[in-house]
Amino acid sequence: GAGVSQSPSNKVTEKGKDVELRCDPISGHTALYWYRQSLGQGLEFLIYFQGNSAPDKSGLPSDRFSAERTGGSVSTLTIQRTQQEDSAVYLCASSSLSSYNEQFFGPGTRLTVL
Amino acid sequence: GQQVMQIPQYQHVQEGEDFTTYCNSSTTLSNIQWYKQRPGGHPVFLIQLVKSGEVKKQKRLTFQFGEAKKNSSLHITATQTTDVGTYFCAGVRAGNMLTFGGGTRLMVKP
Repeated sequence: GAGVSQSPSNKVTEKGKDVELRCDPISGHTALYWYRQSLGQGLEFLIYFQGNSAPDKSGLPSDRFSAERTGGSVSTLTIQRTQQEDSAVYLCASSSLSSYNEQFFGPGTRLTVL
Repeated sequence: GQQVMQIPQYQHVQEGEDFTTYCNSSTTLSNIQWYKQRPGGHPVFLIQLVKSGEVKKQKRLTFQFGEAKKNSSLHITATQTTDVGTYFCAGVRAGNMLTFGGGTRLMVKP
């Protein structure tokens, strides 16, 4: 079946512009996560959605970052007034509570802020 | 908050040598997961350990969960070039929330 998809795969933007990154989780997965990975670094947790519960936003680095999950499916991560330090790969993952809670990752969106 | 530390950060081995990465949590974990990320790829789930003292094997990979459920290890016997990548542990706490370790990058010289 289809895995987690993300779009765009690459995004180059100018400092100060807003960007939107999209994640389509695996159908039926109730949990959705956003992570950020800088080159050669580990995974930095950003935000977590679980069903209809309020999202865990504890990882968002600043108020320039926000995320929505509409209808319990597709999620959009928005970065306003991008800065060069926002350049990274943004990874989305989804999981089902009925399984091993295994997280299935998307291919990521590589964001470059010039 | 919960922190998960992983060591070493990098490891170079000669093909055929063994490799171990260690994961330590500041708090007791309900369970722990391991992921592998190939260069240029995304993390892929390897295994989950749930029970105290649990040991699981996948071919040349051996995973252990400590008795106190605060540490874990991944051991690879006789590394191959296909083992190259970054190995992440991730501690699971309530609500299916994962906290990832910083990862261990394994490089294998043929």
